Amino acid sequence: AQKVTQAQTEISVVEKEDVTLDCVYETRDTTYYLFWYKQPPSGELVFLIRRNSFDEQNEISGRYSWNFQKSTSSFNFTITASQVVDSAVYFCALSEPTSGTYKYIFGTGTRLKVLA
Amino acid sequence: DAGVIQSPRHEVTEMGQEVTLRCKPISGHDYLFWYRQTMMRGLELLIYFNNNVPIDDSGMPEDRFSAKMPNASFSTLKIQPSEPRDSAVYFCASRKTGVTGNTIYFGEGSWLTVV
Repeated sequence: AQKVTQAQTEISVVEKEDVTLDCVYETRDTTYYLFWYKQPPSGELVFLIRRNSFDEQNEISGRYSWNFQKSTSSFNFTITASQVVDSAVYFCALSEPTSGTYKYIFGTGTRLKVLA
Repeated sequence: DAGVIQSPRHEVTEMGQEVTLRCKPISGHDYLFWYRQTMMRGLELLIYFNNNVPIDDSGMPEDRFSAKMPNASFSTLKIQPSEPRDSAVYFCASRKTGVTGNTIYFGEGSWLTVV
């Protein structure tokens, strides 16, 4: 069965610190997609990144980077030099297109507080 | 391009009243999803449509909830009668087959409070 675990409920850091948000997933499919979404205090869900199961290449986008490791079923998200504007709840999600159901399973989210 | 558009953004209603939430997906998207977010249960998939046809409604909590998609650019989620436990944020999302690798894009949500 699909499952996404975000063990960190809440993280607080001081501005300019680096922070890593953990995501561990479970799936029986060989083809799947992983996502990260950001939910700022205003409430909307903003898409950040998608990674498919055949692409383990890490990705960097500005201060954001993602580390995908199939061997440990993890898709971790690192923010370098965090800023107050990074304060939000971050969700990791899994989709198994081959299952035919197109359900997107979300983790419970990690609340990041960046203190000035 | 316009994103997913939801209305109303905020709704406060009394228990027993009918509530209708509306969604306009991104133009050209063929899948539409309704999610509910609560503190206790997180993000739950309620129902999703493909080409206006409901595919999986197993997440709909009970018969008080219903959803329709009369055309490719409009969907509704109706709660009748509403109860305080229905208070939540309801998100609509859409995606396009074969493009952007199954990424779903969310609306800004409808914040429902039932008193």
